[in-house]
Amino acid sequence: AQTVTQSQPEMSVQEAETVTLSCTYDTSESDYYLFWYKQPPSRQMILVIRQEAYKQQNATENRFSVNFQKAAKSFSLKISDSQLGDAAMYFCAYRSRTGNQFYFGTGTSLTVIP
Amino acid sequence: DSGVTQTPKHLITATGQRVTLRCSPRSGDLSVYWYQQSLDQGLQFLIQYYNGEERAKGNILERFSAQQFPDLHSELNLSSLELGDSALYFCASSDRDSYSPLHFGNGTRLTVT
Repeated sequence: AQTVTQSQPEMSVQEAETVTLSCTYDTSESDYYLFWYKQPPSRQMILVIRQEAYKQQNATENRFSVNFQKAAKSFSLKISDSQLGDAAMYFCAYRSRTGNQFYFGTGTSLTVIP
Repeated sequence: DSGVTQTPKHLITATGQRVTLRCSPRSGDLSVYWYQQSLDQGLQFLIQYYNGEERAKGNILERFSAQQFPDLHSELNLSSLELGDSALYFCASSDRDSYSPLHFGNGTRLTVT
């Protein structure tokens, strides 16, 4: 089975600054999909951004962007101009192209300091 | 709004009891997934259904069972409840397209006393 690793249990960032959350994964597949989810204190699970492995261009959604390094099996999330509302747990997830399974990392808790 | 509906939002029950959690997936989604999240923990995959059939099983206890009905709604049954079963239970749905993400419901918060 694929594994997803988030090596930073906790991160903090100053408001308006930039922070990068790390995610690595282990797979033998060449085609797959990657996602970042945000879980604020309300504990809702919110999709932040997604990336197709066959696309070399890094996905961007407003202040959120990814750095997808396929060879290194790395999928980091960059949050620019951090806002207080960005404080949350962030989960990285992998989905196989052929399967229906989703694999989640253990999460990174992000604190935004005013 | 993800389009996934979970009921009830909160459930408080005693040890040894049995409860049923209900989930209606997003319109058009055939896959339903159940996850358990204990306090300050990650997501624990329990089970997945696709169009009424069980597709994958995770770390689901024998005391837990689930099913997906012809109208695609799903139920997760938890029996002989223990204190450790207290958690947030998420239902999520996805369509067949592999690029499709999981769409999560707001969860059912189960408290076992």
